[in-house]
Amino acid sequence: EVKLVESGGGLVQPGGSLRLSCATSGFTFTDYYMSWVRQPPGKALEWLGFIRNKANGYTTEYSASVKGRFTISRDNSQSILYLQMNTLRAEDSATYYCARDIGGEWGQGTTLTVSS
Amino acid sequence: QAVVTQESALTTSPGGTVILTCRSSTGAVTTSNYANWVQEKPDHLFTGLIGGTSNRAPGVPVRFSGSLIGDKAALTITGAQTEDDAMYFCALWYSTHFVFGGGTKVTVL
Repeated sequence: EVKLVESGGGLVQPGGSLRLSCATSGFTFTDYYMSWVRQPPGKALEWLGFIRNKANGYTTEYSASVKGRFTISRDNSQSILYLQMNTLRAEDSATYYCARDIGGEWGQGTTLTVSS
Repeated sequence: QAVVTQESALTTSPGGTVILTCRSSTGAVTTSNYANWVQEKPDHLFTGLIGGTSNRAPGVPVRFSGSLIGDKAALTITGAQTEDDAMYFCALWYSTHFVFGGGTKVTVL
C-alpha cells in the first residue's frame, strides 16, 4: 500500500523558517517525481515544486512564488521528501501536501500558520 | 503566468456522464501540458486520478477517463456514482511549472 505522511507543520513567526517532511512507503521512492502542493484556507491548490526521480537526476523545479525561498530535497535512503521553507510570510499559511506525481497518491497534509 | 480555467460547478445524475474541462489562457492544451486531474473530498482528502493527459492512476475506477477535447483537457466521468460528488482540480504543465485550475464542484444527485 502506498503511503505518504506529512509532518512538521505548525505556527511560525513571519520571517521564520520551517522544514516539512513527507515519509513515504509502499513504492520504490527513487522511481518517482515527488511534488509539494499547498492549499490556503478556502482557496484553490497551488503547485510549489517537484523533485525529479533518479532517472532524471533528482533535479528540481519551483513555482515563481516560492523560488529562492523554498527548497525541495529527498532522502532516498529513507524514502523521505522534504520542503525547506525560509523567510516565511503570512500568505504562506496553508495546508501543505506531498504527492507522488500530482495525478497519483497524495498525503493527508500538514498545516502551517505564519503569524506573530 | 498562465491561467487555468475550469467550470465552477456541474451536476449529473447517478449513472450519468459528466465532462469537466480545463482551459489554458496561453492557447490550446496539448499532450505537452501533461494534464493531471485530482479529486478532493471532504476533510481535504485528495486523490490523484489522471496524469499525463489520459493515464489513470492505479486503483482509479475506469469510469474516470482523461483526454483532450478540442483545445482543452477533459475529465469524463461515465456512469457517475454518488461517491463521485466532490471537487475536481486540473493542473497543466508549462515547461517549468504546473498551474492548477480553480476546481469544479461536481454534484451527483
